[in-house]
Formats: sequence, structure tokens, C-alpha cells
Amino acid sequence: KQEVTQIPAALSVPEGENLVLNCSFTDSAIYNLQWFRQDPGKGLTSLLLIQSSQREQTSGRLNASLDKSSGRSTLYIAASQPGDSATYLCAVTQGGSEKLVFGKGTKLTVNP
Amino acid sequence: GAVVSQHPSRVICKSGTSVKIECRSLDFQATTMFWYRQFPKQSLMLMATSNEGSKATYEQGVEKDKFLINHASLTLSTLTVTSAHPEDSSFYICSAPNTGSDHGYTFGSGTRLTVV
Repeated sequence: KQEVTQIPAALSVPEGENLVLNCSFTDSAIYNLQWFRQDPGKGLTSLLLIQSSQREQTSGRLNASLDKSSGRSTLYIAASQPGDSATYLCAVTQGGSEKLVFGKGTKLTVNP
Repeated sequence: GAVVSQHPSRVICKSGTSVKIECRSLDFQATTMFWYRQFPKQSLMLMATSNEGSKATYEQGVEKDKFLINHASLTLSTLTVTSAHPEDSSFYICSAPNTGSDHGYTFGSGTRLTVV
């Protein structure tokens, strides 16, 4: 059974700092991995999707990497801003299934 | 881009009553809709998968008679929480696979259900 773990559970940084969020998964036979952002009481916004054949994806100040063999992904946020404050969720899909398996998320607070 | 509209965003109901949550795909056809539940500080947990025109598939431990799912059209899926109890209070959120080649998902905005 696939399990997704995110470390740390919470992170507080000053504005402008670069930071890394970590995600690990137990079964490396994934189809893809996605990073989402969730604001309090809101739905999920997709940030980056990495196919299993890819190593990384970039969008603006965000860069996500994937090391499938070791079961790890990182989300790098450059020059953090208070507006980046949210919970960041990592989720994977297995081959042959559209089901997403989520981690518990990392709650990020960027202080002005 | 693809949008999934979910309503209501918040609902408070009395114990024993039923609540219906709707998810509509606004600019694409969603043959599949996933329904998740999220308890505070916990992961989103998949409850069931609805498929247009056929019966929903429920995850282990989810009572199909309590969480009724209907996917009557390509743009509408509903989740009805029947005979709600306080332990059903949670954040419910739907998701549909994106059309096209990105293999991503679009999520609704979620429904905060409080049963009193």
C-alpha cells in the first residue's frame, strides 16, 4: 500500500528566504507526482506535475524534483513571499490507476 | 483552464438529516469524479470514485449506503451524506481528471460540513 510522507509538518520562514519541502513515497512504481497548494478552508490548486519519466518541473519561483528510485520529491520555493503561506500537499498516482494518494502536507508560513 | 464548481462551500445540519454536495465541471466533461474527505491536519482520503452512467466505486471502509454518489451526467456528480452524525463533520472535496495530456486533476473548492 502506497504511503506518502511530508516533512516537515510545519515550517515558518522570513520573507525572501529560499526553502525546500520534502515528500517521500514508499512504492516507487508511480505514474506521476503532483504538488498542490491548499489555502485554509479551500480547495486544492495544482502547482506542478512531474511524470514518472521526468526529473523536474519548474514554474516561476517553484521547482519540483523527482527521484523515483529513492521515492523522493522536493519542492523548492525561491524568494518566498507572505502570499506563499499555505499548506503544500504532495500526491502520487500509481500506474494503471487515477487515484491520488496524498501526504498530510506541510504548512508553510512566510513572515513579512 | 478546467474548473470544477463545488457547492455548498459550507453547510451546518442537524444530526440525522441528509446533505447533498454538488460538483460540476464547467468547461469540460468529467466522466470520472473522485470524492475525498479531509479531517483536520490529516491527508485527503479518497472515499469513492464516481463514473458517469455507472455505479460508484467505494474505498474500503466507506459505507456506500451512507455516502450516496450519483453521476448522472458528464458535468455533474453529487455526494449525499445520509443520516449525518457529528463524526461525519469534515471537509469534503471532489476532483476530476483533466482532459488533455497533462494527466493532472482539477479540484473543487471543497465543502465544510458540520453536523450538530
